[in-house]
Amino acid sequence: AQSVAQPEDQVNVAEGNPLTVKCTYSVSGNPYLFWYVQYPNRGLQFLLKYITGDNLVKGSYGFEAEFNKSQTSFHLKKPSALVSDSALYFCAVREAGGGNKLTFGTGTQLKVEL
Amino acid sequence: NAGVTQTPKFQVLKTGQSMTLQCAQDMNHNSMYWYRQDPGMGLRLIYYSASEGTTDKGEVPNGYNVSRLNKREFSLRLESAAPSQTSVYFCASSEVEGRGYGYTFGSGTRLTVV
Repeated sequence: AQSVAQPEDQVNVAEGNPLTVKCTYSVSGNPYLFWYVQYPNRGLQFLLKYITGDNLVKGSYGFEAEFNKSQTSFHLKKPSALVSDSALYFCAVREAGGGNKLTFGTGTQLKVEL
Repeated sequence: NAGVTQTPKFQVLKTGQSMTLQCAQDMNHNSMYWYRQDPGMGLRLIYYSASEGTTDKGEVPNGYNVSRLNKREFSLRLESAAPSQTSVYFCASSEVEGRGYGYTFGSGTRLTVV
């Protein structure tokens, strides 16, 4: 079975500092990995995905994520955080060729402070 | 560019009442999904429909039924609501499986069962 772990319930960072939101995954075969963001009282919005190819994936709003197969991780990063980045972030995984059901992590609340 | 539309946005039910949550997508997606979101538990899959005419149980199907009315519409029914079904419900859709597409989410239905 596929699974995702987001070990931090909350991440606090000062505006202008780099941020990292951690995600590790488990699948039987090759993974498709996704990051979504949820603002208060809104649905989830797609940020970026890793399917194959370059391990560093760039997405919306200046976010990027690094796929590390040996560590089974897909951490979300941004070089310089903004207060407007404060939101709930979800990592998700599905197994390539295993249907299109995504399994989501429990979410990480990112708080960016002035 | 409506995407995925969910109705209603808010609902309060008494224990034992029934209701149907509606979901429609205008992107010609084949697959549709119903998730519930609870604090600290992330998103959990209730039911999904890989294609028109098919439905399958997800992780937490008990107490729910679904209908894939046509390619556009996928409804979720609570036959006898219970307080444990108090949650935020999200509908999502995606392209055909096997291409690494992510999901497009609706804005959610906030359901309270008293």
